Amino acid sequence: GDSVTQMEGPVTLSEEAFLTINCTYTATGYPSLFWYVQYPGEGLQLLLKATKADDKGSNKGFEATYRKETTSFHLEKGSVQVSDSAVYFCALSGGTGFQKLVFGTGTRLLVSP
Amino acid sequence: DAGITQSPRYKITETGRQVTLMCHQTWSHSYMFWYRQDLGHGLRLIYYSAAADITDKGEVPDGYVVSRSKTENFPLTLESATRSQTSVYFCASTTSGRAYEQFFGPGTRLTVL
Repeated sequence: GDSVTQMEGPVTLSEEAFLTINCTYTATGYPSLFWYVQYPGEGLQLLLKATKADDKGSNKGFEATYRKETTSFHLEKGSVQVSDSAVYFCALSGGTGFQKLVFGTGTRLLVSP
Repeated sequence: DAGITQSPRYKITETGRQVTLMCHQTWSHSYMFWYRQDLGHGLRLIYYSAAADITDKGEVPDGYVVSRSKTENFPLTLESATRSQTSVYFCASTTSGRAYEQFFGPGTRLTVL
C-alpha cells in the first residue's frame, strides 16, 4: 500500500539556519503530496502541496518540489525562525475515487535563538 | 464559533468504560475523519464519513464505533476502553473526496488507566 517515510527527529537548528526535512514516498499512480504543520497544542494545518511531478509548493518561506524520479518531496526553508518550531508531517493522497491522506510519522523541529 | 471543535479536550478514564469523543464542524463539509496520533506512528485513520449516515473503516478501526446522523457532527465512541487506546485523537473535515486539504480540530488527549 501507499506509504510515506520521513527523517527521524528532532531536528535542532539555530535561528536563521537552513532547513531540510527529507520525505520519500511509495505509491501507485500519481499521488498528490502535502506538508502539514502542527504547532504545540494545536491540530494539523496544511503548509503546502503539490499535485503533479515537478510542481513546487511554497508557503511562509517553505518550499518542496515533487520529484517523481526520486519519489521525494523534501521540505526546505532558507532561514528558520524560532516560531517555526513545530512538528512537520509529510503526506500523500492518491488512487482513484475517494482519496484518503497517508501521513508520515512526523519530524519535530526545534529552533533556538 | 466557526470551524471544527472537539470535546472534551482532555479525558481520563478507566479500562472497560465507554467513552465518546465529540466532533462538530460549522462548514457543512461532507467528509469527516477521525485519526489517532501516537509517537512513532504519525496519524492513523480510524474511521471516515462521506456524508450523513455513510461511514467506513480506516486503517485502525478495531475497538471504535462512529455514527453520523447529522452532517456537522461525527462522534467517536470507545465501547470498552483499553490502555492501548491512550492517544491523542484528531477530527478533521473536508469538502470533497479529493483530500487536498483537510481541516483539523485541536485534538482530544485521552488517557486510559
